Amino acid sequence: NAGVTQTPKFQVLKTGQSMTLQCAQDMNHEYMSWYRQDPGMGLRLIHYSVGAGITDQGEVPNGYNVSRSTTEDFPLRLLSAAPSQTSVYFCASSYRGGNEQFFGPGTRLTVL
Amino acid sequence: KQEVTQIPAALSVPEGENLVLNCSFTDSAIYNLQWFRQDPGKGLTSLLLIQSSQREQTSGRLNASLDKSSGRSTLYIAASQPGDSATYLCAVNHEKLVFGKGTKLTVNP
Repeated sequence: NAGVTQTPKFQVLKTGQSMTLQCAQDMNHEYMSWYRQDPGMGLRLIHYSVGAGITDQGEVPNGYNVSRSTTEDFPLRLLSAAPSQTSVYFCASSYRGGNEQFFGPGTRLTVL
Repeated sequence: KQEVTQIPAALSVPEGENLVLNCSFTDSAIYNLQWFRQDPGKGLTSLLLIQSSQREQTSGRLNASLDKSSGRSTLYIAASQPGDSATYLCAVNHEKLVFGKGTKLTVNP
């Protein structure tokens, strides 16, 4: 099993550009989530999904969109990037929401 | 709103020392608590998961305890090694994970 994979590893954007961060898991997990990690702020939940077709907002959802069309994939979209979205983004998955969560390697995003 | 606090924020110890990392949380209605390790520039590696009905879990030199009623967990590392140097994060789970800000551990040879 590859576990949780994320692409790209690094990305630099200009303000106003859009992009999609990819996340995939091959463990048949129902629950997937996106976090951002910032110095001094810790990890904060952006969006999560309890299964295909179901998504919900976390603590810091503004500026981000998600969809879940398959069990395996949970992309995170930035429609108009802002410097405040410079961060490290982690995707995670688990069998159910209350189970052990497994994290991907992260995407380091810089918005200029 | 659940809040998770980790003390100390940083810890430096000599190799071979036994040490304890602390985690406290404000809402005891949790499914489980998970301890992670994060190396610089890397992702999170799950170390131990304690279910809300359990008191402790062990994996090798690591032992994690949970006292849900008092909102506390500890991670005990025995016979520390320089390879244990990393940031240790605890997170409580009630459908969503809420993280502490971590303890940065340095083990000096």
